[in-house]
Amino acid sequence: GAVVSQHPSRVICKSGTSVKIECRSLDFQATTMFWYRQFPKQSLMLMATSNEGSKATYEQGVEKDKFLINHASLTLSTLTVTSAHPEDSSFYICSARRLAGGSGELFFGEGSRLTVL
Amino acid sequence: AQSVTQLGSHVSVSEGALVLLRCNYSSSVPPYLFWYVQYPNQGLQLLLKYTTGATLVKGINGFEAEFKKSETSFHLTKPSAHMSDAAEYFCAVSDGNQFYFGTGTSLTVIP
Repeated sequence: GAVVSQHPSRVICKSGTSVKIECRSLDFQATTMFWYRQFPKQSLMLMATSNEGSKATYEQGVEKDKFLINHASLTLSTLTVTSAHPEDSSFYICSARRLAGGSGELFFGEGSRLTVL
Repeated sequence: AQSVTQLGSHVSVSEGALVLLRCNYSSSVPPYLFWYVQYPNQGLQLLLKYTTGATLVKGINGFEAEFKKSETSFHLTKPSAHMSDAAEYFCAVSDGNQFYFGTGTSLTVIP
């Protein structure tokens, strides 16, 4: 089946530094990838839709200058948390769809737990 | 507009007992429906999905769900719970573009 890989799975950083999380579709091309944030014991909150070769579409309330998304190729999207602060600590999950639109399901990465000290 | 409601944020069942996780949806178009499972510190894994055709859908690990249009429901069931079923379960609806997730149901299996 389709596989989406996320790296790193865990990262600890100091306040004020930037952290990059990678999301790769391993066996299919994904023109669109999605980035979610999940707080403990809560559902997924869609942060942004990452479009290959164009700017990401951010959900209301998500700071685009804080959460930089780059979708440079059909198999790779990156999320950079800039000038991270403790309140950015969370579980970040990416997903991709093999088929654009229609009934295609989302395939999820393993998630990345960010802890900002 | 699409939305998903999962009744019961926590469900506990005894090992071997029936599992029933409820999901109701609202959709302005014929929906695509999904159930995902999430184990601690992991991403989401697809259990099953309904697109068209047979309304009773069988998934992995013995789970199944039935699409009931008249009730706008897509409840997840498993005849006999196993300890390894303890996890967070998310119902989702898609209109073909966006996905909308429920708030999740945490399943506890009591030995």
